Amino acid sequence: SQQGEEDPQALSIQEGENATMNCSYKTSINNLQWYRQNSGRGLVHLILIRSNEREKHSGRLRVTLDTSKKSSSLLITASRAADTASYFCATAIQGAQKLVFGQGTRLTINP
Amino acid sequence: ETGVTQSPTHLIKTRGQQVTLRCSSQSGHNTVSWYQQALGQGPQFIFQYYREEENGRGNFPPRFSGLQFPNYSSELNVNALELDDSALYLCASTLDTGSSTDTQYFGPGTRLTVL
Repeated sequence: SQQGEEDPQALSIQEGENATMNCSYKTSINNLQWYRQNSGRGLVHLILIRSNEREKHSGRLRVTLDTSKKSSSLLITASRAADTASYFCATAIQGAQKLVFGQGTRLTINP
Repeated sequence: ETGVTQSPTHLIKTRGQQVTLRCSSQSGHNTVSWYQQALGQGPQFIFQYYREEENGRGNFPPRFSGLQFPNYSSELNVNALELDDSALYLCASTLDTGSSTDTQYFGPGTRLTVL
């Protein structure tokens, strides 16, 4: 099974609403990252949160990390149609030289 | 724009053939990783190269191989193509850290279809 699992798999909201996506993982990590992918193209890095951090902000994005629960959440506030994309969490597992991606959340923003 | 380019954009091959995919990353990005992304799935780590040496590999067979060159370009080679190799192949580069666990800059991908 995947190291990182996003929830929900798909999310559809109205423009202007907030979108929350969750990620759970299984093993200890050095950091956790969120990426966005538009229509099967390349991934774009959104934010990186280290294992000793609990919350990070970047513009309309807010990421939280709870290492005791092995979970993270990505909040997008005041959503826009351009936020329609797939969002992936990726974990940097301790002792491993790679990122492990989850299966993603497909977010649709309806105008 | 991440500064990472890949070629070709699309490719169609038949089972049993060999394919070479190319990636060019930013100057100073000495770590490059390759991923396979099947439709509807997250990217799966194939391997990474740091300063022209492979220093990490995922759960992929030896028919997946790579090269990295001093000019920040790299290749992914796949021999004896199978139908299940049909996927989007992504390369990603990282600053000179020797690790692909930092922020990665992805190229747009190569869509490979195996018939």
